[in-house]
Amino acid sequence: NAGVTQTPKFRILKIGQSMTLQCTQDMNHNYMYWYRQDPGMGLKLIYYSVGAGITDKGEVPNGYNVSRSTTEDFPLRLELAAPSQTSVYFCASATGGARQETQYFGPGTRLLVL
Amino acid sequence: RKEVEQDPGPFNVPEGATVAFNCTYSNSASQSFFWYRQDCRKEPKLLMSVYSSGNEDGRFTAQLNRASQYISLLIRDSKLSDSATYLCVVRPGGFKTIFGAGTRLFVKA
Repeated sequence: NAGVTQTPKFRILKIGQSMTLQCTQDMNHNYMYWYRQDPGMGLKLIYYSVGAGITDKGEVPNGYNVSRSTTEDFPLRLELAAPSQTSVYFCASATGGARQETQYFGPGTRLLVL
Repeated sequence: RKEVEQDPGPFNVPEGATVAFNCTYSNSASQSFFWYRQDCRKEPKLLMSVYSSGNEDGRFTAQLNRASQYISLLIRDSKLSDSATYLCVVRPGGFKTIFGAGTRLFVKA
């Protein structure tokens, strides 16, 4: 049981390039989330999904897109990378529905846009 | 005013000390509260949920004060391994989850 896995661990992008951050969970969780964490700041929600085929915007969705074709996978797409997207990106999953549910996080992807 | 505010610290304490962190939140309708722990360059992990009646897990005690809109975390008999950043997390309702910026704790031998 690997939990939540993310690839790549680290990536350097040039301004204007595109990339997809991968996230997979093997806990059969319905809910999945993408967060970004800037230095010294709290995590901010980018997008979330409550099940396959259902996604919605979080607090900071601009510049990103997501899809959820299966329960396990929730990739995050950056279309035109900008320096402001330099951050650490965390994917998380949860069973969904419970008020005090735990979110399980992946190890993160560190992205540097130059 | 930030939705969730924490003292960034750092708190530097000797082993065996008792240390307390507070966190304030702005939305009085918030329903769920948590403390997560984040080690350097690692992902956050749930430390404990916070219930209205207060709750304890070993050396850790969490309390909620709805009237004053703050939650607290008390760590007794600090260990070196407690050194980390502690994130206050509030769920106002629905899917929104608000993370505080974290309080850094260093426990020294």
